[in-house]
Amino acid sequence: DAKTTQPNSMESNEEEPVHLPCNHSTISGTDYIHWYRQLPSQGPEYVIHGLTSNVNNRMASLAIAEDRKSSTLILHRATLRDAAVYYCILGGSDKLIFGTGTRLQVFP
Amino acid sequence: GAVVSQHPSRVICKSGTSVKIECRSLDFQATTMFWYRQFPKQSLMLMATSNEGSKATYEQGVEKDKFLINHASLTLSTLTVTSAHPEDSSFYICSVRHGRNTEAFFGQGTRLTVV
Repeated sequence: DAKTTQPNSMESNEEEPVHLPCNHSTISGTDYIHWYRQLPSQGPEYVIHGLTSNVNNRMASLAIAEDRKSSTLILHRATLRDAAVYYCILGGSDKLIFGTGTRLQVFP
Repeated sequence: GAVVSQHPSRVICKSGTSVKIECRSLDFQATTMFWYRQFPKQSLMLMATSNEGSKATYEQGVEKDKFLINHASLTLSTLTVTSAHPEDSSFYICSVRHGRNTEAFFGQGTRLTVV
C-alpha cells in the first residue's frame, strides 16, 4: 500500500477553519483517499473519501490536488468535539492500513 | 450505514487465561471483517482479516495460534486471545466494510487488561 505523510499534530481555535494536510506522492491511479478520525477511547469514524474531484459532506470537505499527490481535509468550523486523531489512508485494497495520523487540538 | 457492535467493551483477565471478543455487524452481512490492535499513543495495527466460512488471513508477525479468529456467520466474528500475557493488554477494534473504496465501520473497541 502507498504511504501517506501527515503532520504529527495541529492546533486550532474553536469556530475557526482547519486544514489538515496529507502527502501521498506514491499514490496509484486507482487509490481512493480516505479520511477517518478517532476520538479518545473510541473506534475510528469515517469522515470522507474521494478519488479525483473535491468532495463535500456534512462533516468536512476534501480537497485533492490536481496531481493527486496531496490532499487536504477541511473542517469549516472547528468545535471542541472535533479534537481527535485524523488519519489519511489510501484505499487500494479491502484492507485499511493506518498511519500515525494528525492529532488535532481545538482550543475554546 | 453499518452498525458494528463489540462485546465486551472492557475486560480484565489473569495471565494465562483466554479471552473472547465478539464483533457483530448489526445491519449488514459481512463476509469479511477486520481486526485491529492499538497500543497507547500508537496507531491502529491491522492484525487479521476474518473471512466468513474460511480461515482468517493474518498479517505478518501476528501469531495465528495465539489470536484465534472465528467467523461462523455473516454477522459475527470472534477474536480469542489465548494464554493472555500482560503484553497483550491493548485496545482491540473490529471493522466491516461493504467493499473496496467504500467507507469502513468500526466497533467501539474492547480494552483488554491482562494482570
